[in-house]
Amino acid sequence: EVQLVESGGRLVQPGGSLRLSCAASGFTFSSFSINWVRQAPGKGLEWLSYISSSGASINYADSVKGRFIISRDNAKNSLYLQMGSLRVEDTAVYYCARYSDSHNAFDCWGQGTLVTVSS
Amino acid sequence: EIVMTQSPATLSVSPGERATLSCRASQSVSNNLAWYQQKPGQAPRLLIYGASTRATGIPARFSGSGSGTEFTLTISSLQSEDFAVYYCQQYNNWPPITFGGGTKVEIK
Repeated sequence: EVQLVESGGRLVQPGGSLRLSCAASGFTFSSFSINWVRQAPGKGLEWLSYISSSGASINYADSVKGRFIISRDNAKNSLYLQMGSLRVEDTAVYYCARYSDSHNAFDCWGQGTLVTVSS
Repeated sequence: EIVMTQSPATLSVSPGERATLSCRASQSVSNNLAWYQQKPGQAPRLLIYGASTRATGIPARFSGSGSGTEFTLTISSLQSEDFAVYYCQQYNNWPPITFGGGTKVEIK
C-alpha cells in the first residue's frame, strides 16, 4: 500500500523552529517528487514547497521562502521540512503529497501533522 | 501567480441530484487542472487530473470538463459519501502551484 506518514507537529512559540518528517512506504520513493501543502484551521489548501526525485530541484511559495527548507533522504525514504522563524499564521495541518508525473497531480497524501504556533 | 476562483462557495444539494462546481483560472492553464475531494478530518483525495481524467478508483458519477480558464466538476447523482469540500488546482504555470478556495457540497 502506498503510504505517506507525517510527524513532528506540535505547539511551538512564535520565532521558534520545528522539523517535520514524512515517511514513505509502498512505492519507490526515489522515483517521485514530493511536495508540502498546508491547511490553516477552517481554510483552504496552500502549496508550500516542491522537491524533485533526486533533490536537485527545489521550489518554495513566497510565504515560506527564506524561512523553510525542504530536503529528502532517499536512502531512508523520508522527506523533511525544516521550519524557522515561525509565525502565528503558520499554524496549520501540514501534508506531504506525492506528485505523479504521469497524472501531473498530487496522487497520494499523508494524513497530516498539526503545527500550532502560539505563545 | 495564477489565481484559481471556485464557485459557489457552498452548494446545497439533495441526495440523488446533480451537482455542478465551477473553477476559473486568472489565465489559461490549458488542461493542467486537477480536482480533489476533502472530507472533514481527512487528507485531500485526487479525483480528476488533466481536467477530465478520473483517477484510479473514482466512480463514474464524477466527471470533469473544460480547458483554458473555465472548468467544471460534475457529480451526476450525489451519494451520501460525496458531501465534502472540493478543490481545483492548477499545475500549468508554477511555482507556485495554486488551489482554488474550495466549494463545500452540503446536504439540502
